[in-house]
Amino acid sequence: EIVMTQSPATLSVSPGERATLSCRASQSVGSNVAWYQHKPGQAPRLLMYHTSARATGLAARFSGSGSGTEFTLTITSLQSEDFAVYHCQQYENWPFTFGPGTKVD
Amino acid sequence: EVQVVESGGGLAQRGGSLRLSCAVFGFTVSGSYMSWVRQAPGKGLEWVSLLYSDGRIDYPNSMKGRFTISRDSSKNTLYLQMNNVRAEDTAVYYCARDWNGDMIIDDWGQGTLVTVSS
Repeated sequence: EIVMTQSPATLSVSPGERATLSCRASQSVGSNVAWYQHKPGQAPRLLMYHTSARATGLAARFSGSGSGTEFTLTITSLQSEDFAVYHCQQYENWPFTFGPGTKVD
Repeated sequence: EVQVVESGGGLAQRGGSLRLSCAVFGFTVSGSYMSWVRQAPGKGLEWVSLLYSDGRIDYPNSMKGRFTISRDSSKNTLYLQMNNVRAEDTAVYYCARDWNGDMIIDDWGQGTLVTVSS
């Protein structure tokens, strides 16, 4: 099973600042990484897939990069609605696995 | 409009059973890859099971034996039968849809909480 790790566990940023979230896979997953945003009491929301492709309607301030085992989600100019937990997910091999999440507060 | 609505969560005794339901709207449950994903308190998301549109089923090794995913096309509903539940099964269970088989979850429900008491 591929283990996904994320850092930092918590990222404290102010509105308008840049947030950089990291995700690492225990073995290569190619570009098969997705990112989800999760707010308390709400359904998770797909943000990015295939490392850098934005989901429909996603703001351009979100971007993804990386390949192999190292991936990054960047949010430029953080907005108030961006405070949430962000999970990465690999879909290279079954079982598909998620990282533990980075809380942006 | 696509909607995914879970129900059936609640308090279960250790060793008991529970069946979760997921009613879907705006698409057919048999035409999409449907999954159950859970999140235990303080933990990350964890895949529980995957039902492909062609009827194949996958479980992570850690989930095999006690969980059964199924669907009823006439009711457009997905199910998760949970047997011999353990305290570590306490989690919010999400019903999730991958509409085109690319193994990415496009739509999620709001989740249903399962609490297993010892």
